[in-house]
Parts: sequence; C-alpha cells; structure tokens
Amino acid sequence: GESVGLHLPTLSVQEGDNSIINCAYSNSASDYFIWYKQESGKGPQFIIDIRSNMDKRQGQRVTVLLNKTVKHLSLQIAATQPGDSAVYFCAENRGNTGTASKLTFGTGTRLQVTL
Amino acid sequence: DTGVSQDPRHKITKRGQNVTFRCDPISEHNRLYWYRQTLGQGPEFLTYFQNEAQLEKSRLLSDRFSAERPKGSFSTLEIQRTEQGDSAMYLCASSFQSGDTEAFFGQGTRLTVV
Repeated sequence: GESVGLHLPTLSVQEGDNSIINCAYSNSASDYFIWYKQESGKGPQFIIDIRSNMDKRQGQRVTVLLNKTVKHLSLQIAATQPGDSAVYFCAENRGNTGTASKLTFGTGTRLQVTL
Repeated sequence: DTGVSQDPRHKITKRGQNVTFRCDPISEHNRLYWYRQTLGQGPEFLTYFQNEAQLEKSRLLSDRFSAERPKGSFSTLEIQRTEQGDSAMYLCASSFQSGDTEAFFGQGTRLTVV
C-alpha cells in the first residue's frame, strides 16, 4: 500500500550544526504533511506543517521543504541543540476530502545530538 | 493544562482481562483520534470521531476493541480479552473539524499485557 517512509533511521549531529531529516511519500493525493517530534515516553509533539500548495515553510529554527515532483519532504533544524534529541516522524494527511482525515506516519528517524 | 489528557499513563494487565482507557481532548476540538504505537514504529491509526459519531475504523481495530465518545467530549477505548500482542502505547489526539489542521497528541497510555 501507499505509505510514508524515512531514509535514515538514525542521524547523529554535533551540537550547533544543522540537521536535515528526510522523508519520502508515495501517495500523490496527499495534500498536507506534518512533522512531529517524539521524546521517550511522550506523545508526538507538533513541530511544523506544510500544505501541498507550498514548497517551503519556516518556523522557529525549523524549515520544512516539500518537493512534490519526487514526493520528498525534509525537515531542517538550524543550530541543533541537545534538547532536539528525539525521534522525528513525518506524517501525511489527505486533508478534508470528505473521506477519512487521519495521519499516516513513517517509522521515524532518531536524532542524536552530540556535544 | 489544556492539552489532550489520557488516563491511565500506564496499565499492566493479565492476558484475558479487559481494559479501558480514557481520553479528554482539547475542549474546542470536535475531532478525536485513537492511534496505537509499538516500539520503534510510528503511530498507526485506529479510529476517529467527529463529535460523537465514529466515522472510520481501521482494520487494526479487531472486534475485541471498541471506542466510544458518547457526548462528543471525552472518549474511551476498551480492549476485551487482552492478548500479549495488544501491548503498545495507545495515543489519543484531537483537532478541529477540518483535516488540514494540526492534531495534538496526548502523552499516551502504555499497556503491558503479561
């Protein structure tokens, strides 16, 4: 079936460097994407979202890029901090189409920030 | 705290017992979702409600699982005759009606079936 996936299961980054977490999706009908951060023992925490009519969206220290041509999504974290260490999930939502509005998650990328 | 609240945080039960979890969504959100997450995996959709109506159920939701949201506010998820394979984190999320809005998750209920 169609799914959302991730290229790298673990990413190790030095404190202060920029992090890039990638995600591939296969459902061309997907029109809304979300990045979540999940720390151990906690629920997913919303980071940033992007709609399919956009290529880029910026938040505080985070940027999401969407390339619909190759069905690729990335999360960039600037000046990575130890508190950024967590598992990051991209999720796809097919929007308010009248059918089910639910999130399909990938398996996640673990970000490890080294000092 | 006005976020999504789940109770209990942890539940250990013997195989064959019934368990019930509760979720209190953000008060103005009319959509409520249940997900299941096993170790090392992303959350998997189980079911969702719009107000009190249950609009979709995943094939993961076997007949031993039932969810309710009787007054369109809090929701319960019951698992009957628990099996070891039911051990997982059960997450609840809520959002506004439109699908193009962020969903906020609770801290989850960690179920261990022994």
